[in-house]
Amino acid sequence: GAVVSQHPSWVICKSGTSVKIECRSLDFQATTMFWYRQFPKQSLMLMATSNEGSKATYEQGVEKDKFLINHASLTLSTLTVTSAHPEDSSFYICSASPRSGGAGTQYFGPGTRLTVL
Amino acid sequence: GQQLNQSPQSMFIQEGEDVSMNCTSSSIFNTWLWYKQDPGEGPVLLIALYKAGELTSNGRLTAQFGITRKDSFLNISASIPSDVGIYFCAGLRSNYQLIWGAGTKLIIKP
Repeated sequence: GAVVSQHPSWVICKSGTSVKIECRSLDFQATTMFWYRQFPKQSLMLMATSNEGSKATYEQGVEKDKFLINHASLTLSTLTVTSAHPEDSSFYICSASPRSGGAGTQYFGPGTRLTVL
Repeated sequence: GQQLNQSPQSMFIQEGEDVSMNCTSSSIFNTWLWYKQDPGEGPVLLIALYKAGELTSNGRLTAQFGITRKDSFLNISASIPSDVGIYFCAGLRSNYQLIWGAGTKLIIKP
């Protein structure tokens, strides 16, 4: 149980284009989903917290107009990187907390490698 | 931002040896989590600790939540090649956000 999927697993795009990444909890409902980015040899950096049916809460320094988050249902959250630039290239990982039980434990997706040319 | 103090940063051990790593914090956490991350993958939850002093095992892995709720250790017994990866500790805040350690990279010499 507690499986989280991400799609796509990797994407290469041209500078200036927008990229959407999906995060799904496959066998549980998630009231809260989190979006992280990870640079090589570093731990995960929280970008935003997403609650179903409400606006995402962004961490300091993360541009909400650039990283659009939609949490439309209890099993799906999307992150759209708008007008992507090479500096946005990174490993993006989502996590989800089960609606019931687990005391807020987060289960992670496999990550999405974004490369902006 | 806030980060847990995780050590060691990396470990080079022989296959079959036991491994020990730990995390400390200046803040109290009600939940401590240990994750393993393989290259190009998301972190996988290994052990979750919910009570101060709790000692929990998952196969060859054992983790304990410090009595003060400011520290935790993870032990791996009889290491095998597939144990290679980066291990992260994380403390769970009341708003369900995770505070991460910097990770311990485990390398096993055959």
